Amino acid sequence: KAGVTQTPRYLIKTRGQQVTLSCSPISGHRSVSWYQQTPGQGLQFLFEYFSETQRNKGNFPGRFSGRQFSNSRSEMNVSTLELGDSALYLCASTDGQASWANVLTFGAGSRLTVL
Amino acid sequence: GIQVEQSPPDLILQEGANSTLRCNFSDSVNNLQWFHQNPWGQLINLFYIPSGTKQNGRLSATTVATERYSLLYISSSQTTDSGVYFCAVHNQAGTALIFGKGTTLSVSS
Repeated sequence: KAGVTQTPRYLIKTRGQQVTLSCSPISGHRSVSWYQQTPGQGLQFLFEYFSETQRNKGNFPGRFSGRQFSNSRSEMNVSTLELGDSALYLCASTDGQASWANVLTFGAGSRLTVL
Repeated sequence: GIQVEQSPPDLILQEGANSTLRCNFSDSVNNLQWFHQNPWGQLINLFYIPSGTKQNGRLSATTVATERYSLLYISSSQTTDSGVYFCAVHNQAGTALIFGKGTTLSVSS
C-alpha cells in the first residue's frame, strides 16, 4: 500500500508569490490534515478535511487555504507569501472519520523556502 | 488551550543505553500519539495510546490519562533511533492535534 505522497518535496518562492502543495492520502483514507513545522513555532495544525469538507481550521491567516477533491487528494495554497511562511508543510491521512480517534500517517513533507 | 510539555528537550546517549521520554498535558485529551521524526523530516507514528501500556520491539509507551502524562521508553538504543520524538494530543473537542516541542535524541556508537 503506497504511503502518503506529498509534492513537491522542495520549492523556493519569493515574497508576494503564491504556492500550491499537493497531498495524496493512503488509498481508502478520506481524512486529510495539514501541519506547518517551523523551528520557532514547532508543529502547528493548519486544517483538516473529510469527504471534501473542511472540518477544522487552525489559527492561521486567511492567506492559508485548502481543499479536498472527490478522490480524497488535498491541496493547500498560501497566497502573498511572507518570509515567515518558510517551513516544512506536512500532510497526514487517516482511515477514520474522526482523525482524533485514529492513527495518523504522515507524508515526507514539502519544504518551502521564501526568499 | 491545552498545553503539551515534553522533557527532556535534548538527550545524548551511547548506543545500548536505555532512556525515558516524558509528555505532560494540561487537560483531558481524546487520544495521545507518539511520533519519531527522522533527519529527513518524515514523521513516523510509533504509538496511538490514549491510556494503558503498549510495546513494539525495543519501544514501549505508557499513558496515565488520569494523571495527564505519558512516557516513552527506548531500550538498547541504536544510532537509528536518533531524531526528534514528539507526543501529540487531540483536544476534547477533537478539533486540533496539539504537538509538544519534542525531545531531540542523539545516539552515538
